[in-house]
Formats: sequence, C-alpha cells, structure tokens
Amino acid sequence: QKEVEQNSGPLSVPEGAIASLNCTYSDRGSQSFFWYRQYSGKSPELIMSIYSNGDKEDGRFTAQLNKASQYVSLLIRDSQPSDSATYLCAASNEKLTFGTGTRLTIIP
Amino acid sequence: GAVVSQHPSRVICKSGTSVKIECRSLDFQATTMFWYRQFPKKSLMLMATSNEGSKATYEQGVEKDKFLINHASLTLSTLTVTSAHPEDSSFYICSARDRTGGYGYTFGSGTRLTVV
Repeated sequence: QKEVEQNSGPLSVPEGAIASLNCTYSDRGSQSFFWYRQYSGKSPELIMSIYSNGDKEDGRFTAQLNKASQYVSLLIRDSQPSDSATYLCAASNEKLTFGTGTRLTIIP
Repeated sequence: GAVVSQHPSRVICKSGTSVKIECRSLDFQATTMFWYRQFPKKSLMLMATSNEGSKATYEQGVEKDKFLINHASLTLSTLTVTSAHPEDSSFYICSARDRTGGYGYTFGSGTRLTVV
C-alpha cells in the first residue's frame, strides 16, 4: 500500500507567524511531490511542486524535500487568515497519492 | 495556464437513477484523466485512471460497472454513476495531465453529488 502520511491537525498558528506542515511518503519510486490547498467544498488548488532534494521558495511558501528520509514539508511565512484551509500533500509515481490533509487555522 | 472544466458543479438525483459528470480540458490535450472521490473531512481517493481511446483502470474496491468512465477524446472524459444510492453521495473531482508531459496535474472544480 503506497501511502502519504500527514498530521491531520488542527494546527493553529497566530497571524504573521510561520506555519510548518509535514508529510512522509512510503513509495520510494515517487518522483514528484505537491502541496495543495483546499477550502471547504472546493477543489484542491496547487500551491507548490517539488522534484529535487532541497528547498524551493515561491513567495511566502517554501517546500522542502528529503528523498532519503522520504519527507516533504511546507513552510508558510507571514501567515494570513486567508491561509486557513486544509493542506494536502501528494506524491506522484505516474498517479497522485494524497495524504489525509492537515487542517490549518490562522488566528488573527 | 491549463484549465479543466467540470460539470455539473452540483447535482441531486433520486436513488436508482444515473448521473453523468463531464470533465473537459479547455486549452490542452489530456492524455490521461483521473477521477477522485472525496467524502467529508477525508482526503481524495483515486477511483480510476482513464487514457484516451482505451479502457479505464480502476483502483481496488471501485466497481467498474457502477462507475462508468469514458475518455473518447483528448479533451473530454465522463464519469457515469449508475443506479446511484445514498452511499454514493460524495464530492467527485477530475484531474487531467497535460499531454506534453511534465508533472502538472490540473483539477476540475468538482461535482457535489447528493442521492436522495
């Protein structure tokens, strides 16, 4: 069973602070990794994709990948209330496998 | 950017009837489309993978006779829920992958199905 594991939360972070989301995956054949944001009742929205070990930054978001540890993370700097959502980690080996998601709440 | 249009966004049907959900790639050709189902407060579960012009590949536990998938062209895939029952009520989401390759998956806006 190829799995992607996330802490379901909820994770509460004060506005302006850094939110840290973590994910592990079991399939070593996974080649690409994604973070999606999903608001209630809506479809997932791609936040970041990462394919190589190390960090990838895009605005307030930084994704980190460590293939040796089978670990992916997402950092959100200067958290805003609009960042409150469920964040889904996904790993791809021809098809996407999603984690259960982490519910993030930014407290004003 | 790549856009996937999914219709309808919401449907209510009577138990025993069939419902068709359409997924169209608007500005790219999708070699592969994926169909997911999401129950409340749960993650997306892959139901099946469809490739243009060939039969869909279903995930374990998904009834292929109940969830009919057709991918007749590079821009259109349909999911038909046959003889729907209340337990089929869920959020169904399609995703398409650009034929040009890369790793991008574009999602449709989802269909909320309620079977009464």
